[in-house]
Amino acid sequence: IAGITQAPTSQILAAGRRMTLRCTQDMRHNAMYWYRQDLGLGLRLIHYSNTAGTTGKGEVPDGYSVSRANTDDFPLTLASAVPSQTSVYFCASSDGGRTEAFFGQGTRLTVV
Amino acid sequence: GQNIDQPTEMTATEGAIVQINCTYQTSGFNGLFWYQQHAGEAPTFLSYNVLDGLEEKGRFSSFLSRSKGYSYLLLKELQMKDSASYLCAVLDSNYQLIWGAGTKLIIKP
Repeated sequence: IAGITQAPTSQILAAGRRMTLRCTQDMRHNAMYWYRQDLGLGLRLIHYSNTAGTTGKGEVPDGYSVSRANTDDFPLTLASAVPSQTSVYFCASSDGGRTEAFFGQGTRLTVV
Repeated sequence: GQNIDQPTEMTATEGAIVQINCTYQTSGFNGLFWYQQHAGEAPTFLSYNVLDGLEEKGRFSSFLSRSKGYSYLLLKELQMKDSASYLCAVLDSNYQLIWGAGTKLIIKP
């Protein structure tokens, strides 16, 4: 089934640990995004990639890094997790420009 | 700064009509999206408006006025499954989506 897949679906992580959230899409979309969603706040862009080999910083990039080695994969890494990074993380992809974004099912991350 | 405003929560009755408003102030405008998000699930696309006017898609319609920085999502013949959050998002001059906090819609029988 075509779409966008995230792993893991949920995780409890000790503060200070390193964690990589995985995201894979099979729609051959050029653009990919990582958002975090917190109660009472809108989706906030962490990092994005307009095409394989390029990445950019979003609204809340501190503490996170990404890579885009190929079209399909866009992993998000927390180098040293802190409790304020407790959130639901969504990966999304689109053809870019004025086209709709498709979202993964989300990763619920708790940093303790 | 960039800002998207929408009501936090609305309640409506099954079978009725509800209008969810969204006002925006952004650096540039390349269209406005509406997404639906059921609790614990991912957002899913509902509509996209880039020109002024009303776009109708089944029970859902979306309206845009660029001069007023205003949009609304109209849901007709409400069903219990329409209970969800509705997210308004504007595509800014850099083609980045700016998201509102979402409107939680509660449908009562």
